[in-house]
Amino acid sequence: DAGVTQSPTHLIKTRGQQVTLRCSPISGHKSVSWYQQVLGQGPQFIFQYYEKEERGRGNFPDRFSARQFPNYSSELNVNALLLGDSALYLCASSSGTSGYTDTQYFGPGTRLTVL
Amino acid sequence: QKEVEQDPGPLSVPEGAIVSLNCTYSNSAFQYFMWYRQYSRKGPELLMYTYSSGNKEDGRFTAQVDKSSKYISLFIRDSQPSDSATYLCATIIQGAQKLVFGQGTRLTINP
Repeated sequence: DAGVTQSPTHLIKTRGQQVTLRCSPISGHKSVSWYQQVLGQGPQFIFQYYEKEERGRGNFPDRFSARQFPNYSSELNVNALLLGDSALYLCASSSGTSGYTDTQYFGPGTRLTVL
Repeated sequence: QKEVEQDPGPLSVPEGAIVSLNCTYSNSAFQYFMWYRQYSRKGPELLMYTYSSGNKEDGRFTAQVDKSSKYISLFIRDSQPSDSATYLCATIIQGAQKLVFGQGTRLTINP
């Protein structure tokens, strides 16, 4: 079975630009979470979506937004990029059927570099 | 103070050694505990998932949770070079949406 897939793998942008990252969850999973992992640090929670509704939001500015589609795939958008947004962006998929403590399975990530 | 503290290492041990990785956490509301393994430039891979205090064993891996001291551990027996990776501890409050991770410990197993 296919795991969580993310695209693109790598991305290079310049300050002030906008970026869209994409995620497809494991088949049958209805919940998608986004995390930011800066080099040398653990992942930090950005958003969680379930059935197209935002279920949770981490401590990130409004430049970060996301949405979930009817097929449960998701997009993360970041506007007005800053150098500090350079990181590995991880998508995690969970079933969503047993509440908030489902196991989260991570994709390979999108590495964003902001110059 | 971070909610989850983890020594970033690096930790280097010879092949076959027993490895001990540890984390402490500050919030007694954390109820579920996980260990993820992350190879360089890859996403985290779930290794162990525990709820209660005590030990959980899976092959060469043993996860240990002590809620009274807010301390979680991962033991790797008969370590292999393929175990070389960054190990992340994570926890979550029941009813919450976000995993809270430690910084990760970078482990190298030398042949």
